[in-house]
Amino acid sequence: GAGVSQSPSNKVTEKGKDVELRCDPISGHTALYWYRQSLGQGLEFLIYFQGNSAPDKSGLPSDRFSAERTGGSVSTLTIQRTQQEDSAVYLCASSSYRLAGPEQYFGPGTRLTVT
Amino acid sequence: SQKIEQNSEALNIQEGKTATLTCNYTNYSPAYLQWYRQDPGRGPVFLLLIRENEKEKRKERLKVTFDTTLKQSLFHITASQPADSATYLCALESGGGATNKLIFGTGTLLAVQP
Repeated sequence: GAGVSQSPSNKVTEKGKDVELRCDPISGHTALYWYRQSLGQGLEFLIYFQGNSAPDKSGLPSDRFSAERTGGSVSTLTIQRTQQEDSAVYLCASSSYRLAGPEQYFGPGTRLTVT
Repeated sequence: SQKIEQNSEALNIQEGKTATLTCNYTNYSPAYLQWYRQDPGRGPVFLLLIRENEKEKRKERLKVTFDTTLKQSLFHITASQPADSATYLCALESGGGATNKLIFGTGTLLAVQP
């Protein structure tokens, strides 16, 4: 596709349930990032994948959060046993230094609401 | 501790004037700094990048400066238009140039009045 896509666009879940958020990066982009944005706040870094290197998980807020990137393309962010404080917009971005420099291209986000 | 600060208050200016947004940081040595625009309900969109060895960068009505001594970047929009109204985010490369990992500021909301 032409840009980064994310699904679902909105997710409402009950506290304690697990959720999976999906990101399809721009084709050929080797780097993929997940961020979280709470209402009125800036972007909070969660995790960063670069090619075949081990991901940088330093921003994950707890062990309930995990992410994987299969085949160097699609990524899934999983939140287990969701809590109300997990409610936020989850944004995915991709980049390719070789193709386009270090700027990041963002998807539209998934708005997660935990009730 | 590491910190990135942007104008915490919304910036209201009149159409045609120059908007100036500030990004200050502490305890970082970024290889570059980026500015993004974010509209409500959308992901951020890249605008400009400036490297540590550059003082100024321009693109159409946009200008960015980067002072690594002051640890500050200024973002200017000249001849502002109501369509420029959005939240503007600054972001620092936080890996010393080895990664493309960005740390974002909280953003400044710009409102351009017609």
